[in-house]
Amino acid sequence: GAVVSQHPSRVICKSGTSVKIECRSLDFQATTMFWYRQFPKQSLMLMATSNEGSKATYEQGVEKDKFLINHASLTLSTLTVTSAHPEDSSFYICSARPSGQQETQYFGPGTRLLVL
Amino acid sequence: AQSVAQPEDQVNVAEGNPLTVKCTYSVSGNPYLFWYVQYPNRGLQFLLKYITGDNLVKGSYGFEAEFNKSQTSFHLKKPSALVSDSALYFCAVRFSGGYNKLIFGAGTRLAVHP
Repeated sequence: GAVVSQHPSRVICKSGTSVKIECRSLDFQATTMFWYRQFPKQSLMLMATSNEGSKATYEQGVEKDKFLINHASLTLSTLTVTSAHPEDSSFYICSARPSGQQETQYFGPGTRLLVL
Repeated sequence: AQSVAQPEDQVNVAEGNPLTVKCTYSVSGNPYLFWYVQYPNRGLQFLLKYITGDNLVKGSYGFEAEFNKSQTSFHLKKPSALVSDSALYFCAVRFSGGYNKLIFGAGTRLAVHP
Protein backbone atom coordinates (compact mmCIF):
# COMPACT_ATOMS: atom_id res chain seq x y z
CA GLY A 1 0.00 0.00 0.00
CA ALA A 2 0.81 3.71 0.07
CA VAL A 3 2.12 4.01 -3.46
CA VAL A 4 2.65 7.31 -5.20
CA SER A 5 3.25 7.40 -8.93
CA GLN A 6 4.57 10.14 -11.18
CA HIS A 7 4.13 10.48 -14.90
CA PRO A 8 6.15 10.85 -16.97
CA SER A 9 9.29 9.45 -15.40
CA ARG A 10 11.43 11.28 -17.89
CA VAL A 11 10.69 14.07 -20.35
CA ILE A 12 12.74 16.03 -22.84
CA CYS A 13 11.27 19.19 -24.27
CA LYS A 14 12.26 22.22 -26.28
CA SER A 15 12.83 25.57 -24.68
CA GLY A 16 9.63 27.62 -24.56
CA THR A 17 7.23 24.71 -24.35
CA SER A 18 5.19 23.68 -21.32
CA VAL A 19 5.44 20.37 -19.54
CA LYS A 20 2.89 18.77 -17.23
CA ILE A 21 3.89 16.29 -14.54
CA GLU A 22 1.30 14.18 -12.76
CA CYS A 23 1.46 12.91 -9.21
CA ARG A 24 -1.04 10.26 -8.15
CA SER A 25 -1.69 8.50 -4.88
CA LEU A 26 -2.71 5.04 -6.02
CA ASP A 27 -4.27 3.49 -2.95
CA PHE A 28 -5.04 6.32 -0.59
CA GLN A 29 -6.53 9.78 -0.60
CA ALA A 30 -4.25 12.74 -0.11
CA THR A 31 -5.60 16.10 0.90
CA THR A 32 -2.10 17.50 0.74
CA MET A 33 0.67 16.88 -1.76
CA PHE A 34 4.10 18.46 -1.94
CA TRP A 35 6.29 19.27 -4.91
CA TYR A 36 10.07 19.24 -4.58
CA ARG A 37 12.93 19.99 -6.89
CA GLN A 38 16.29 18.30 -6.65
CA PHE A 39 19.44 19.40 -8.43
CA PRO A 40 22.26 16.92 -9.00
CA LYS A 41 23.97 15.89 -5.79
CA GLN A 42 21.83 18.29 -3.79
CA SER A 43 18.96 18.03 -1.37
CA LEU A 44 15.26 18.32 -2.02
CA MET A 45 13.96 21.85 -2.09
CA LEU A 46 10.28 22.28 -1.39
CA MET A 47 8.62 24.25 -4.15
CA ALA A 48 5.01 24.28 -3.09
CA THR A 49 2.31 22.64 -1.05
CA SER A 50 -0.71 21.51 -3.00
CA ASN A 51 -4.10 21.26 -1.32
CA GLU A 52 -7.13 19.63 -2.84
CA GLY A 53 -9.70 22.18 -3.84
CA SER A 54 -7.67 25.25 -3.01
CA LYS A 55 -4.73 27.27 -4.27
CA ALA A 56 -1.25 25.95 -3.78
CA THR A 57 1.09 27.55 -1.29
CA TYR A 58 4.44 28.41 -2.86
CA GLU A 59 7.77 28.69 -1.11
CA GLN A 60 9.67 31.92 -1.21
CA GLY A 61 11.43 32.43 -4.52
CA VAL A 62 9.26 30.00 -6.48
CA GLU A 63 7.36 31.65 -9.32
CA LYS A 64 3.76 30.56 -9.12
CA ASP A 65 3.06 31.66 -12.69
CA LYS A 66 5.89 29.51 -13.96
CA PHE A 67 5.15 26.43 -11.90
CA LEU A 68 1.41 25.94 -12.06
CA ILE A 69 -0.03 23.49 -9.58
CA ASN A 70 -3.47 21.97 -9.70
CA HIS A 71 -4.85 19.57 -7.09
CA ALA A 72 -8.18 18.70 -8.63
CA SER A 73 -8.91 15.53 -6.71
CA LEU A 74 -7.84 13.66 -3.61
CA THR A 75 -5.58 11.42 -5.67
CA LEU A 76 -4.09 13.71 -8.29
CA SER A 77 -1.91 16.80 -8.31
CA THR A 78 -0.25 18.23 -11.40
CA LEU A 79 2.74 20.49 -11.82
CA THR A 80 3.01 22.37 -15.10
CA VAL A 81 6.32 24.00 -15.96
CA THR A 82 5.33 26.81 -18.31
CA SER A 83 7.62 28.20 -20.97
CA ALA A 84 10.39 25.90 -19.87
CA HIS A 85 14.02 26.96 -20.12
CA PRO A 86 17.22 24.95 -19.77
CA GLU A 87 17.65 26.15 -16.19
CA ASP A 88 14.37 24.40 -15.33
CA SER A 89 16.03 21.08 -16.07
CA SER A 90 15.94 19.13 -12.83
CA PHE A 91 14.53 16.16 -10.97
CA TYR A 92 11.02 16.87 -9.73
CA ILE A 93 9.64 14.77 -6.90
CA CYS A 94 6.19 14.81 -5.40
CA SER A 95 4.96 13.43 -2.11
CA ALA A 96 1.49 12.78 -0.80
CA ARG A 97 0.18 12.89 2.72
CA PRO A 98 -2.69 10.50 3.47
CA SER A 99 -5.75 12.34 4.65
CA GLY A 100 -5.86 12.38 8.42
CA GLN A 101 -2.19 11.48 8.88
CA GLN A 102 -0.11 14.50 9.81
CA GLU A 103 3.28 12.82 10.11
CA THR A 104 3.46 10.67 7.01
CA GLN A 105 4.48 11.50 3.47
CA TYR A 106 4.91 9.00 0.67
CA PHE A 107 7.19 10.00 -2.16
CA GLY A 108 6.84 9.43 -5.86
CA PRO A 109 9.70 8.06 -7.97
CA GLY A 110 10.48 11.45 -9.48
CA THR A 111 10.40 12.96 -12.96
CA ARG A 112 13.57 13.89 -14.77
CA LEU A 113 13.03 17.01 -16.91
CA LEU A 114 15.53 18.04 -19.55
CA VAL A 115 14.90 21.26 -21.42
CA LEU A 116 16.93 21.69 -24.59
CA ALA B 1 14.44 29.15 12.19
CA GLN B 2 14.09 25.42 11.80
CA SER B 3 16.89 23.59 10.05
CA VAL B 4 18.69 20.30 9.82
CA ALA B 5 22.37 19.72 9.12
CA GLN B 6 24.17 16.69 7.82
CA PRO B 7 27.85 17.47 8.33
CA GLU B 8 29.22 14.68 6.13
CA ASP B 9 28.90 14.67 2.35
CA GLN B 10 29.97 11.04 2.21
CA VAL B 11 30.51 8.17 4.60
CA ASN B 12 32.57 5.15 3.63
CA VAL B 13 32.15 1.88 5.48
CA ALA B 14 33.34 -1.66 4.96
CA GLU B 15 30.65 -4.29 4.64
CA GLY B 16 29.86 -5.87 7.98
CA ASN B 17 31.05 -2.88 9.98
CA PRO B 18 28.70 -0.59 11.89
CA LEU B 19 27.70 2.64 10.21
CA THR B 20 26.64 6.04 11.47
CA VAL B 21 25.22 8.89 9.43
CA LYS B 22 25.08 12.12 11.40
CA CYS B 23 22.27 14.64 11.67
CA THR B 24 21.78 17.65 13.91
CA TYR B 25 18.71 19.84 14.05
CA SER B 26 17.46 23.19 15.16
CA VAL B 27 13.78 23.59 15.89
CA SER B 28 11.48 25.57 18.07
CA GLY B 29 9.41 23.31 20.24
CA ASN B 30 9.45 19.54 20.14
CA PRO B 31 11.22 18.12 17.10
CA TYR B 32 9.63 15.70 14.68
CA LEU B 33 12.55 14.01 12.93
CA PHE B 34 12.75 11.69 9.94
CA TRP B 35 15.24 9.69 7.92
CA TYR B 36 14.75 8.88 4.24
CA VAL B 37 16.87 6.96 1.74
CA GLN B 38 17.16 7.64 -1.97
CA TYR B 39 18.49 5.25 -4.58
CA PRO B 40 19.73 6.58 -7.95
CA ASN B 41 17.00 8.23 -10.04
CA ARG B 42 14.36 7.24 -7.52
CA GLY B 43 12.12 9.01 -5.06
CA LEU B 44 12.62 8.88 -1.32
CA GLN B 45 11.83 5.89 0.85
CA PHE B 46 10.89 6.36 4.49
CA LEU B 47 13.22 4.71 7.00
CA LEU B 48 12.10 5.89 10.41
CA LYS B 49 10.82 8.79 12.44
CA TYR B 50 10.93 10.20 15.94
CA ILE B 51 7.85 11.91 17.29
CA THR B 52 7.90 11.16 20.99
CA GLY B 53 8.72 8.34 23.39
CA ASP B 54 11.78 6.09 23.37
CA ASN B 55 14.91 7.89 22.21
CA LEU B 56 16.02 4.86 20.19
CA VAL B 57 13.86 4.45 17.13
CA LYS B 58 13.97 1.32 15.00
CA GLY B 59 13.10 1.47 11.34
CA SER B 60 13.23 -0.33 8.04
CA TYR B 61 16.08 -2.53 6.75
CA GLY B 62 17.73 -2.83 10.16
CA PHE B 63 18.33 0.88 10.59
CA GLU B 64 17.84 2.72 13.84
CA ALA B 65 18.35 6.27 15.05
CA GLU B 66 18.95 7.79 18.43
CA PHE B 67 17.33 11.03 19.44
CA ASN B 68 19.59 13.06 21.72
CA LYS B 69 17.91 16.20 22.96
CA SER B 70 20.93 17.65 24.75
CA GLN B 71 23.08 17.36 21.63
CA THR B 72 20.18 18.13 19.27
CA SER B 73 21.16 15.13 17.21
CA PHE B 74 19.37 12.29 15.45
CA HIS B 75 22.11 10.07 14.05
CA LEU B 76 21.22 7.11 11.84
CA LYS B 77 22.88 3.82 12.68
CA LYS B 78 23.10 0.22 11.60
CA PRO B 79 25.09 -2.48 13.38
CA SER B 80 26.31 -4.24 10.24
CA ALA B 81 26.41 -2.49 6.87
CA LEU B 82 25.50 -4.16 3.59
CA VAL B 83 26.73 -3.19 0.14
CA SER B 84 23.07 -2.72 -0.79
CA ASP B 85 22.81 0.02 1.83
CA SER B 86 24.86 2.26 -0.47
CA ALA B 87 22.58 5.19 -1.27
CA LEU B 88 21.85 8.82 -0.44
CA TYR B 89 20.43 9.42 3.02
CA PHE B 90 18.40 12.45 4.05
CA CYS B 91 17.53 13.67 7.51
CA ALA B 92 14.44 15.86 7.76
CA VAL B 93 12.64 17.90 10.36
CA ARG B 94 9.01 18.79 10.31
CA PHE B 95 8.35 22.48 10.06
CA SER B 96 5.89 23.50 12.72
CA GLY B 97 4.24 26.07 10.48
CA GLY B 98 1.36 25.46 8.13
CA TYR B 99 0.85 22.07 6.48
CA ASN B 100 3.61 20.38 8.50
CA LYS B 101 6.06 20.48 5.64
CA LEU B 102 9.45 18.79 5.85
CA ILE B 103 12.80 20.53 5.71
CA PHE B 104 15.56 18.28 4.42
CA GLY B 105 19.25 18.19 5.15
CA ALA B 106 21.77 18.29 2.33
CA GLY B 107 22.06 14.52 2.25
CA THR B 108 24.89 12.10 2.97
CA ARG B 109 26.08 9.59 0.47
CA LEU B 110 26.80 6.22 2.06
CA ALA B 111 29.23 3.95 0.28
CA VAL B 112 29.60 0.44 1.63
CA HIS B 113 32.59 -1.42 0.23
CA PRO B 114 32.81 -5.21 -0.02
